[in-house]
Amino acid sequence: AQKITQTQPGMFVQEKEAVTLDCTYDTSDPSYGLFWYKQPSSGEMIFLIYQGSYDQQNATEGRYSLNFQKARKSANLVISASQLGDSAMYFCAMRESGNQFYFGTGTSLTVIP
Amino acid sequence: NAGVTQTPKFRILKIGQSMTLQCTQDMNHNYMYWYRQDPGMGLKLIYYSVGAGITDKGEVPNGYNVSRSTTEDFPLRLELAAPSQTSVYFCASTDGRRNTEAFFGQGTRLTVV
Repeated sequence: AQKITQTQPGMFVQEKEAVTLDCTYDTSDPSYGLFWYKQPSSGEMIFLIYQGSYDQQNATEGRYSLNFQKARKSANLVISASQLGDSAMYFCAMRESGNQFYFGTGTSLTVIP
Repeated sequence: NAGVTQTPKFRILKIGQSMTLQCTQDMNHNYMYWYRQDPGMGLKLIYYSVGAGITDKGEVPNGYNVSRSTTEDFPLRLELAAPSQTSVYFCASTDGRRNTEAFFGQGTRLTVV
């Protein structure tokens, strides 16, 4: 079974609008962390935001927030006020107690002017 | 602050040749990882290490070998290169804290012809 599932291969959003990128995960480990990364066309992996399994509140980092629904095992990334520079691939990842990171297949986001 | 450094950035290999992808980090991280990213796909774990002298296989280890003689270095060896190993390779590192993200190198784009 896939540890991380991202079901949206591609998404489009109008500049200045908000967009939600979906991520579901599968684990039986009670202690885990969820991460989102951005990969622009230049190829580097940029860390965006983190959510711990025991965190009571949803994580926020500037225009990024993580909609964490533990019972549904989902960790969706919300980008508010989209900018042209947000066009990139976005990867959801999970780290379990064993310290391996598992990545999803990614979502390609295109911001339309 | 260098972070995670990978060399080379680009390489073309002929079928059957061998090479070593170098990875070094200066953050004193115990955990290091090698991933490959095929076009339009997510990251697949090749090998990982939880400390000097300790390595373990990930999802796709066939055709690769690693060693971890020091905390800083985690080279990936390709023996008898095959076209299926054409990919972008990322090295990453992290510490033992659950909420710490993986820090990535810039990637190595390898083509086997």
